[in-house]
Amino acid sequence: AQKVTQAQTEISVVEKEDVTLDCVYETRDTTYYLFWYKQPPSGELVFLIRRNSFDEQNEISGRYSWNFQKSTSSFNFTITASQVVDSAVYFCALSERGGSEKLVFGKGTKLTVNP
Amino acid sequence: DAEITQSPRHKITETGRQVTLACHQTWNHNNMFWYRQDLGHGLRLIHYSYGVQDTNKGEVSDGYSVSRSNTEDLPLTLESAASSQTSVYFCASRDRDQETQYFGPGTRLLVL
Repeated sequence: AQKVTQAQTEISVVEKEDVTLDCVYETRDTTYYLFWYKQPPSGELVFLIRRNSFDEQNEISGRYSWNFQKSTSSFNFTITASQVVDSAVYFCALSERGGSEKLVFGKGTKLTVNP
Repeated sequence: DAEITQSPRHKITETGRQVTLACHQTWNHNNMFWYRQDLGHGLRLIHYSYGVQDTNKGEVSDGYSVSRSNTEDLPLTLESAASSQTSVYFCASRDRDQETQYFGPGTRLLVL
């Protein structure tokens, strides 16, 4: 069965610090997708990134970067030079192919960036 | 711009009442989903649909139902609201080409 674990429940950093949010997943499928979503205090869920299981290239988008390692079943998210606006709950999620395409979410990591 | 909307955004109801939460998307996506978000549980799948007249149960479907009569809408009905159904409900639709679900703004439901 699919499972996503975000072991860090809450993280607090000071502005400009780098922070890494961990995500470990379990799946029996060889084809799957991994996602990160951001939920700011306003409550909406904002899509950040999707990664398919065949693409282990790391990705960078501005201050955000993602490290996908199939060998450790991890898809970690790093924010460089964090800002107060990065304060949010971040969810890692997994969907399997094979007809389901449902998302299984981790329980989220609440990031607080203090000025 | 195409979008996904939910209504109402906030709802207070009483135990035992029937409640329907609306979800409407204008992307013409075939796949639609309902999740609930609770502290300590993250988001959990309630029901989903792959197209008109298709509905499927998710992880926490007891006490909920959906119907899909057109592509744009997937209303979620709580047959007899219970206090355990107090939650934030999110609707999502899936862009098949991008393999990505996009979420509505959420409905905050309080069952007294």
